[in-house]
Amino acid sequence: QVQLVQSGAEVKRPGASVRVSCKASGYIFTSYEVNWVRQATGQGLEWMGYMEPNTGNTAYAEDFQGRVTMTRSTSTGTAYLELNNLRSDDTAVYFCARGTGADSFYYHLDVWGKGTTVTVSS
Amino acid sequence: QSVLTQPPSASGPPGQRVTISCSGSRSNIGGNTVSWYQQLPETAPKLLIYMNNQRPSGVPDRFSGSKSDTSASLAISGLQSEDEADYYCATWDDSLKGVVFGGGTKLAVL
Repeated sequence: QVQLVQSGAEVKRPGASVRVSCKASGYIFTSYEVNWVRQATGQGLEWMGYMEPNTGNTAYAEDFQGRVTMTRSTSTGTAYLELNNLRSDDTAVYFCARGTGADSFYYHLDVWGKGTTVTVSS
Repeated sequence: QSVLTQPPSASGPPGQRVTISCSGSRSNIGGNTVSWYQQLPETAPKLLIYMNNQRPSGVPDRFSGSKSDTSASLAISGLQSEDEADYYCATWDDSLKGVVFGGGTKLAVL
């Protein structure tokens, strides 16, 4: 079945970097964008950006420009999120989600990973 | 502050019908289709409605969506206790060039 399996929880110091992985299975990895969405405790969903696995092209939300990098390994079908210069308010659950829709008009996120908890604490 | 506006909470007794609204603007809901996500406690969001009113396979027909101009709605009929969850609307924003979410609505089945 179609699924996205994420890496385990991380604890980082302020100023450090974190890399979260998202391994796709059950579909052609290069045919769908991989989005990253985060959720702080008790808060709503925040879109961080997406990566096109076929080309490696990315689009990042303005709030994360300069601090985030989304990459992939097509050989393993895995997408990666790297967030640099971590702050305490980056503490959140980070989800990867498959993006689908013929174009932006129809865009939606149809398959989600279970999430990776990232804790930033000194 | 979320780009899309949802009421923070909604409630209803079992068996009733409840509606959750989602308000946006021309650059997002006004120009693109809307999707809805259900997030049960301590789980990942799940796609509930896409393209304004389409249900993925496995989603009960008690859930329905609609859109008019720059607003959208999610209706849940025949409320059940397992419907207690957070519900989020989302769409593409042509100005921001990305996905935008509503702030979420917590549904209580009383």
